[in-house]
Amino acid sequence: QKEVEQNSGPLSVPEGAIASLNCTYSDRGSQSFFWYRQYSGKSPELIMFIYSNGDKEDGRFTAQLNKASQYVSLLIRDSQPSDSATYLCAVDTGRRALTFGSGTRLQVQP
Amino acid sequence: DVKVTQSSRYLVKRTGEKVFLECVQDMDHENMFWYRQDPGLGLRLIYFSYDVKMKEKGDIPEGYSVSREKKERFSLILESASTNQTSMYLCASSGGDDEKLFFGSGTQLSVL
Repeated sequence: QKEVEQNSGPLSVPEGAIASLNCTYSDRGSQSFFWYRQYSGKSPELIMFIYSNGDKEDGRFTAQLNKASQYVSLLIRDSQPSDSATYLCAVDTGRRALTFGSGTRLQVQP
Repeated sequence: DVKVTQSSRYLVKRTGEKVFLECVQDMDHENMFWYRQDPGLGLRLIYFSYDVKMKEKGDIPEGYSVSREKKERFSLILESASTNQTSMYLCASSGGDDEKLFFGSGTQLSVL
């Protein structure tokens, strides 16, 4: 079983809609969770992090964490074509290095 | 802003060559990492270091070694390059106990 799982997509949403990206992880001891955005041909950039159960909002982005169910999600409200990218979920596995999922490709249709 | 600089954006090498990938960060970060990224496989951790001269194996260390002689510089070495090491290599750094990673722009390595 992969440690961090994401649906590869593509997830296609119309402009202005809410995009919902999901991630599950296998290590119950994980404490820190991150979402990175990666545009084609570019390196990943951090957009959200969450440590506690519940929701964390930053602008159009909301990260949701449920440790009991071992999933973390990212909601993007009012999706824009510029949000089209691959979104990588990353989880700490207690060794000072993050483990990444394979990413979900998001396409926002104008 | 944190700057992580990788020495080459594109590199072409021949099978059997010894390859050095260099990474420098300017934020006095303790932790440095090497990942490779392949389509459908995401980022996989090769090696990381949390202090000068310290190194830890990641998930796929076979065929690679690393060197960290100075805090700001972390080198990835392919002892004898093989075609299955053709990949995008990403260097990253983070400070102390903070797990937020800052990435370099990547090196696309092709081994022919």
